[in-house]
Amino acid sequence: KAGVTQTPRYLIKTRGQQVTLSCSPISGHRSVSWYQQTPGQGLQFLFEYFSETQRNKGNFPGRFSGRQFSNSRSEMNVSTLELGDSALYLCATRLAGGTDTQYFGPGTRLTVL
Amino acid sequence: AQKVTQAQTEISVVEKEDVTLDCVYETRDTTYYLFWYKQPPSGELVFLIRRNSFDEQNEISGRYSWNFQKSTSSFNFTITASQVVDSAVYFCALGGYNTDKLIFGTGTRLQVFP
Repeated sequence: KAGVTQTPRYLIKTRGQQVTLSCSPISGHRSVSWYQQTPGQGLQFLFEYFSETQRNKGNFPGRFSGRQFSNSRSEMNVSTLELGDSALYLCATRLAGGTDTQYFGPGTRLTVL
Repeated sequence: AQKVTQAQTEISVVEKEDVTLDCVYETRDTTYYLFWYKQPPSGELVFLIRRNSFDEQNEISGRYSWNFQKSTSSFNFTITASQVVDSAVYFCALGGYNTDKLIFGTGTRLQVFP
């Protein structure tokens, strides 16, 4: 069974640009969450999606947004990139919202210059 | 407020030693879940174990075991007979009921030397 897929794996952008990251869940998984990992702040929750609906959002500015498609694939977008947005962005998926274990993808490492 | 504390920043052991990683959590929820994830240098978070708040039974799974004590809000994780491949950053996480949101600790870097 294929794991969680994230594309691209590495990305370099400049300040002010925008970026879109993609997450394809494990087959059958309908719930997708996104996390940002930085050396200073650690792992922080961004948002979660289930059945194309955002169910919860972390404490991030409106520049961070996401969506989920009918096939459960999810994208997150960061507009007007800042240097501090450089991070490893991880997505996690699970069968359904609630009590199942989340499984993480390999992450997308974003560098903002 | 929910919080997870991993006081050990880094631990170094020699292969075959047992090592225990500490985790203390705070939550007002009565139903919650506790997790341990491992992050090797590749970056992917690998699920290790999960425990429900209503089940304090401690178990052993291969070389892994855990000690969940609600009275002290602790969820410690032990690797028996450590191996070099166990070298990674280990994260303890707290999850709520009906939400994907996980609160992570700051992680403990484990280095196992041959």
